[in-house]
Amino acid sequence: AQSVSQHNHHVILSEAASLELGCNYSYGGTVNLFWYVQYPGQHLQLLLKYFSGDPLVKGIKGFEAEFIKSKFSFNLRKPSVQWSDTAEYFCAVNAQAGNMLTFGGGTRLMVKP
Amino acid sequence: KAGVTQTPRYLIKTRGQQVTLSCSPISGHRSVSWYQQTPGQGLQFLFEYFSETQRNKGNFPGRFSGRQFSNSRSEMNVSTLELGDSALYLCASSRRWGIGKGLAGRDNEQFFGPGTRLTVL
Repeated sequence: AQSVSQHNHHVILSEAASLELGCNYSYGGTVNLFWYVQYPGQHLQLLLKYFSGDPLVKGIKGFEAEFIKSKFSFNLRKPSVQWSDTAEYFCAVNAQAGNMLTFGGGTRLMVKP
Repeated sequence: KAGVTQTPRYLIKTRGQQVTLSCSPISGHRSVSWYQQTPGQGLQFLFEYFSETQRNKGNFPGRFSGRQFSNSRSEMNVSTLELGDSALYLCASSRRWGIGKGLAGRDNEQFFGPGTRLTVL
């Protein structure tokens, strides 16, 4: 069965620091990859997605992610975080027929002003 | 365009009872998926529906069931509630079902609702 690992459970950064959150998945076939964000008290929102093509994808709010197929990774990055980026971030994989998503355990990011 | 709506937003039940949760997808979306979110287990897939048929089911006991109506609205039911069923239940809708590639993949993008917070006492 496919699985998704997010290595950082809690991350604390100061504003303007750079962010990189790791995501690795275990599945050898074709995958669709996603990063979702859950701000306190809000819905899960899609940050960015990879279906095919350029492995460097750009999402909303200045986030980007790079798909490295050989490493089964899809790490999330942002050059300069803001206090408003405080949230929980989830990596997710869709790897079979249907829209079923397998989520990583999530990373709680706290950005100190 | 209205987002995914879920009702009720909060529920308190006691062990042994049953509960029905409702999800209305975004207009034009025909696929609905359900997820359970708990602090211990994270986000776990329950099941997904397309054209009134269950297409995939996660690793949950038979007490968890669902259905989809002809207007794409979906309900999930949990019978004989247990304390461990306390969770946030999320519904997500997408335009179509199945893995797509490139542009077609965008139709599989899932949009999540606010969830129903179920507390079992």
